[in-house]
Amino acid sequence: NAGVTQTPKFQVLKTGQSMTLQCAQDMNHNSMYWYRQDPGMGLRLIYYSASEGTTDKGEVPNGYNVSRLNKREFSLRLESAAPSQTSVYFCASSEGGRTEQYFGPGTRLTVT
Amino acid sequence: AQSVSQHNHHVILSEAASLELGCNYSYGGTVNLFWYVQYPGQHLQLLLKYFSGDPLVKGIKGFEAEFIKSKFSFNLRKPSVQWSDTAEYFCAVNKGGSYIPTFGRGTSLIVHP
Repeated sequence: NAGVTQTPKFQVLKTGQSMTLQCAQDMNHNSMYWYRQDPGMGLRLIYYSASEGTTDKGEVPNGYNVSRLNKREFSLRLESAAPSQTSVYFCASSEGGRTEQYFGPGTRLTVT
Repeated sequence: AQSVSQHNHHVILSEAASLELGCNYSYGGTVNLFWYVQYPGQHLQLLLKYFSGDPLVKGIKGFEAEFIKSKFSFNLRKPSVQWSDTAEYFCAVNKGGSYIPTFGRGTSLIVHP
């Protein structure tokens, strides 16, 4: 039971490049989330998927897109990376509603 | 909009000192409350949670938190910290059945041996 997995762990991009961050969970959770974590800013929600087939914007969605590929997988795409997107990205999942979240190990992204 | 405030941004303690980290939220209705911990270089893990019932909640590693509804607070406590408690601590609040928790900005705790 791996919980929440993310790939890659580290990535360096040049401004304007694109990439997709992958996330998968094996807990049969309904809801999945993408956060970014920046020093002093805590966790900010980028996008979430309350259930398979739905996605919604969070607090900081600009510059990102998501796909809920199936119940297990939720990917985050940067179409044209910018230095302001340098951050640590965490994927999380939950049963939904009031329950706690389970986090992946994170992806450290640097955009130069 | 709901907000979650963690008043202490950085806390430095010596081993065996007592710890209390503050968390206040602005929403007046039913809430679900969480404390998460992030050890250096790791992902967030659940420390404890409150949904209903006894307002004093016990979590892992000797941590506890008290929900005081009248003060909109959910403070985290530990009577005697250890060096291994060095981490960042996040308070999170869900309104009712909301899918989206609101996180505080976190408190960095450093425990000196």
